[in-house]
Formats: sequence, C-alpha cells, structure tokens
Amino acid sequence: DVKVTQSSRYLVKRTGEKVFLECVQDMDHENMFWYRQDPGLGLRLIYFSYDVKMKEKGDIPEGYSVSREKKERFSLILESASTNQTSMYLCASSFGDGGNTIYFGEGSWLTVV
Amino acid sequence: AQSVTQLGSHVSVSEGALVLLRCNYSSSVPPYLFWYVQYPNQGLQLLLKYTSAATLVKGINGFEAEFKKSETSFHLTKPSAHMSDAAEYFCAVSEVAGGTSYGKLTFGQGTILTVHP
Repeated sequence: DVKVTQSSRYLVKRTGEKVFLECVQDMDHENMFWYRQDPGLGLRLIYFSYDVKMKEKGDIPEGYSVSREKKERFSLILESASTNQTSMYLCASSFGDGGNTIYFGEGSWLTVV
Repeated sequence: AQSVTQLGSHVSVSEGALVLLRCNYSSSVPPYLFWYVQYPNQGLQLLLKYTSAATLVKGINGFEAEFKKSETSFHLTKPSAHMSDAAEYFCAVSEVAGGTSYGKLTFGQGTILTVHP
C-alpha cells in the first residue's frame, strides 16, 4: 500500500512564526502536492512538485513556499504564519500524468493564534 | 480553466435508501474525473475514477458513477445507503495525459452525506 505520512497531525503556532509541515511518501512517486482544505471550499492546491528541486505554484500560493530536496520528501513552509492560514493541510503524491490516482496523507490541522 | 461544481453541500438519506451525489464539471476537453471520500479526521481515499474507458465506473463500497459528456456530469450513486457511508465526498477533475498538469486535481466544494437509521 502507498503511504503518505505527514509528520504532525495537530499544530498550534503563533502569528508571525515560521512553520514547517513535512510530508514523506514511500512509493517513489515523481509528483507531490500540498492542498489546503476549508469548509465549503473543498481542497485548493497550494504548490506541487514534479521532480526533485522542481516546483510550481498552484491556485493559492501566496504566503507559502515549498522545498523538495529529496524525491520522497515535500515540505510546506509558512514564512510568517497568520490567522487566516488556520486550516487543514493535506499532502498527496502520484506518479506520471493525468488519470493516475493521487494518494493523500491524513492531514495536518494547523491553528494560528 | 477547469472547474467542478457539486450540487448540495449536505445530503441526508435513510439507511437503505438510494444515494445520489451530483457533480458537474467544466473543461475544454473531456477530462479525467474522480470521486474521493473523506471520513472524519482522515485523509482522502479514492472511491472511483473515469479515465476514458467505460462511461459507467464501479468503485469500492458499492458506489458507481456515470460519465455523461452531453451533460458534463459525473454523478455518484449507491443503491442502498449504509450507516458507514456517512462521510464527506469530493468530486475532482484532472487534465488528460500528455499535457503538463502532472495529474493535479481540481476539487469541488464537497458534499457531506448523513445517513439516518
């Protein structure tokens, strides 16, 4: 079974802190994604990566950055956390192109106070 | 740009009744379509997907969906609801292979399914 592991399930951070959300997948997938989930808005793509050190902006990249130094690991960085970034963050991975299944981690609940 | 609309943010059914969750998409070309389910405090799990083979797609847990190009729809159905089906369901679309989408998904807003005894 594919496993996508998000290191922290629940985090509480203060406004202005730098926050790292870590994600690891064990299936040698080329593609990795970070989504944000908010009630009534579904999931929105923040950033994705299709290879090591390669990244592209998704639909809502403002206030976020990402890092992919190794194929299995994809990190989401909030440079200066704000209260409007309180949300559920979901990491996902897949191989190849459209039509292939995207596998999700269990999510990280981030609260910024 | 692609988009997905799920009609009804909440659907409530009785145990044993038909489940119908609606999804319409907007895309310049026929896309790939997916249904995912999310149980409380968990990530998303794939229910089924349409990738231009048979238009009636069968998935896990007795769910199925039919791709109707003329209606740009991909509605999810299950003949008889079970209490364990209570969850949030997401419809999603991705571009066809050969582009530079890398399979990324655009999601609908989600539909919360409640099943009453």
